[in-house]
Amino acid sequence: DVKVTQSSRYLVKRTGEKVFLECVQDMDHENMFWYRQDPGLGLRLIYFSYDVKMKEKGDIPEGYSVSREKKERFSLILESASTNQTSMYLCASTPRDRGYGYTFGSGTRLTVV
Amino acid sequence: AQSVTQLDSQVPVFEEAPVELRCNYSSSVSVYLFWYVQYPNQGLQLLLKYLSGSTLVKGINGFEAEFNKSQTSFHLRKPSVHISDTAEYFCAVSPSNTGGFKTIFGAGTRLFVKA
Repeated sequence: DVKVTQSSRYLVKRTGEKVFLECVQDMDHENMFWYRQDPGLGLRLIYFSYDVKMKEKGDIPEGYSVSREKKERFSLILESASTNQTSMYLCASTPRDRGYGYTFGSGTRLTVV
Repeated sequence: AQSVTQLDSQVPVFEEAPVELRCNYSSSVSVYLFWYVQYPNQGLQLLLKYLSGSTLVKGINGFEAEFNKSQTSFHLRKPSVHISDTAEYFCAVSPSNTGGFKTIFGAGTRLFVKA
């Protein structure tokens, strides 16, 4: 069964810590995405990547960075975690076929205290 | 640019009743349309999609949606809901041949099925 795996389901970090959220897909998809989901705000795109070592800012990139050194792995980095980054983080991937749709991971619920 | 509006934030319905979740979109280019479902504490799962052809598309779990180009709508329907359909549903639009691969999601509709 094809899937997107996020390394942690729940994570608690302290303010100011550097936080790494990992996402791995086994479908050989070219495109990968990081979203955050907050009640009432829906899904907001943080960063995305069309290819290895390539990244583009989404709608809310401030306070985040990403890394894509290998095709299957897309990491989201919170440089200095803050309480307003407490959220559900969702990783997704899709191939170049625009009609395929996204495959999502199960999400990481991050709490910054 | 594309945008998606889900007209209801919450829809309560009794078990075995029909349900319609409404979605309108706007776009300057041709698009593909999707519905996703999210069960509590999980990621989103693709429910169905419209790419071309027949305007009525069928998805998993007995759901279907109808694409209406003139109304720019893509409403999701199910003739008889179950308790297990309680979830949040997201309508989404993606450009079909240009403008990148970003998908725009609606704000979501929370379906609550009551016994």
